[in-house]
Amino acid sequence: DTAVSQTPKYLVTQMGNDKSIKCEQNLGHDTMYWYKQDSKKFLKIMFSYNNKELIINETVPNRFSPKSPDKAHLNLHINSLELGDSAVYFCASSQVRGRYSPLHFGNGTRLTVT
Amino acid sequence: GESVGLHLPTLSVQEGDNSIINCAYSNSASDYFIWYKQESGKGPQFIIDIRSNMDKRQGQRVTVLLNKTVKHLSLQIAATQPGDSAVYFCAEAANFGNEKLTFGTGTRLTIIP
Repeated sequence: DTAVSQTPKYLVTQMGNDKSIKCEQNLGHDTMYWYKQDSKKFLKIMFSYNNKELIINETVPNRFSPKSPDKAHLNLHINSLELGDSAVYFCASSQVRGRYSPLHFGNGTRLTVT
Repeated sequence: GESVGLHLPTLSVQEGDNSIINCAYSNSASDYFIWYKQESGKGPQFIIDIRSNMDKRQGQRVTVLLNKTVKHLSLQIAATQPGDSAVYFCAEAANFGNEKLTFGTGTRLTIIP
């Protein structure tokens, strides 16, 4: 009965490779997000989708491409991975866009680029 | 929330005592605030939220206080338990509610048995 689930939990890969992270939410929420958490625990928004439509793209390199096949799924594809991409990536969802409802987070994907 | 430096602020509290975690925010247009708890290896977990038309909100063992005059937010945890050990984040959003949540640096709370 996991609310927001991400796969894989750990991802170790070499520079230059392409990888994907998948996210699914079963909360019936309209809006989904990707956040990046760096080694200092700082959390920063990357993307936000509302009903499959991109609404926030926070100056993320275009090597990162989110895809939302339906409102319950938001995947993140990363091309030509770089060392600086190493971080924990969190998927989140919220009930309604632009309203006072909290985000619900998955347990993260720890990406290590070597 | 604003950055408080390169290292995560820490707070150690004796089990059973109350703890207060503080957060300063910089955007005077922020109108929605959330506290999250993050345990090791897990995602941020929602604790409590408050809108700018309130200055206090209580949950189970937790209270959030909002002082808009000095742009300060605090989380009080009553009768701390070992399970309260985690990193706590405040987050703020302006104008568009939850759409663009900005997180503070985080505070690591350690409960001493």
